[in-house]
Amino acid sequence: GAVVSQHPSWVICKSGTSVKIECRSLDFQATTMFWYRQFPKQSLMLMATSNEGSKATYEQGVEKDKFLINHASLTLSTLTVTSAHPEDSSFYICSAASRRDTYSPLHFGNGTRLTVT
Amino acid sequence: AQTVTQSQPEMSVQEAETVTLSCTYDTSESDYYLFWYKQPPSRQMILVIRQEAYKQQNATENRFSVNFQKAAKSFSLKISDSQLGDAAMYFCAYREPYGGSQGNLIFGKGTKLSVKP
Repeated sequence: GAVVSQHPSWVICKSGTSVKIECRSLDFQATTMFWYRQFPKQSLMLMATSNEGSKATYEQGVEKDKFLINHASLTLSTLTVTSAHPEDSSFYICSAASRRDTYSPLHFGNGTRLTVT
Repeated sequence: AQTVTQSQPEMSVQEAETVTLSCTYDTSESDYYLFWYKQPPSRQMILVIRQEAYKQQNATENRFSVNFQKAAKSFSLKISDSQLGDAAMYFCAYREPYGGSQGNLIFGKGTKLSVKP
């Protein structure tokens, strides 16, 4: 089945530094990737949608200058949390969709637990 | 806007028994897709079952089945012969065909299922 690799699985960083999270589709071309944030005991909240080769579309309330998303190829999207602060600590999950996979479920990465100290 | 509602924050079932998780949604679309995802403590999102709205027949996957009532916009999940490994958060999700909201998944708030031995 389709596999999405997300790296790192967990990261601890100091306040003010930037952290990059990678999301790779291993055996299919991901024309669209979605980035979610999940707070403890809550549902997944969509942060942004990225299409290969174009700018990401951010959901209302998500700071695009803080959460930089790049989708430069059909197999890789990155989320960079810039100037991280403790309130950015959360669980981040990516998912990917293929143009050919229109009616299939999204394929999820294993998530990244970010802790900002 | 489409919404997904899971009215049961927590549910409990005895091992080997049957439990039903509720989900309702709101949409004006006639063509869409519905999913149930399981999220164990590892936080990996695992697809449990999916249903295409144009299909009248309820989907079944081994011990998991759905009761899809399109007119009522209801999509409940039945787990038969519950096992300890079924304990997890369960999310109901709605998705439009690619081109509608870029195929994003809209999640309910989730139901935490506990399985008692």
